[in-house]
Amino acid sequence: DAGVTQSPTHLIKTRGQHVTLRCSPISGHKSVSWYQQVLGQGPQFIFQYYEKEERGRGNFPDRFSARQFPNYSSELNVNALLLGDSALYLCASSWSPGETQYFGPGTRLLVL
Amino acid sequence: KNEVEQSPQNLTAQEGEFITINCSYSVGISALHWLQQHPGGGIVSLFMLSSGKKKHGRLIATINIQEKHSSLHITASHPRDSAVYICAVYQNSNYQLIWGAGTKLIIKP
Repeated sequence: DAGVTQSPTHLIKTRGQHVTLRCSPISGHKSVSWYQQVLGQGPQFIFQYYEKEERGRGNFPDRFSARQFPNYSSELNVNALLLGDSALYLCASSWSPGETQYFGPGTRLLVL
Repeated sequence: KNEVEQSPQNLTAQEGEFITINCSYSVGISALHWLQQHPGGGIVSLFMLSSGKKKHGRLIATINIQEKHSSLHITASHPRDSAVYICAVYQNSNYQLIWGAGTKLIIKP
């Protein structure tokens, strides 16, 4: 069975642009969480979605948004990119909130 | 003060040594996770604990809910165990996983 997949693997954008990151959970998993990991730091929680509804939101500005589709895949959108948004963006899926999370390989975003 | 504190921050040991990484937390939790992150970013979930002790191969994780403390032990450490080990706690109240800063472990042959 395929694990959690994320696309793209790497991305370079310039300040002010918009980016969409995608995540496909493990088959059967209905919960998807997004994390941001800045170089040298631990991951920071951005969003959690379960059954297509937002169930948790971390301390991130409104420039960050996400959604979950009927097939439980998810998109993370970031508008008006800042240099500080450069990070590894991790997606994790689980059967439901609170269950063991399985992580994708991440998307490395570089904002110039 | 961070809600999840790990110690040590960095640990270098010789192959074969017994390794202990500690995690203390200050919030109410429903579960605690231990995760491993290799260079390049890949994160693997090692354990999820809500009480007691779990063992998987050479890895052992314990949690003391009353003391708000957990430990990850590695027996007979090997250079392939070199990675960052992260403790994260799951707050049921807001569906948020709060991460520690991680412990960078290097095992020398």
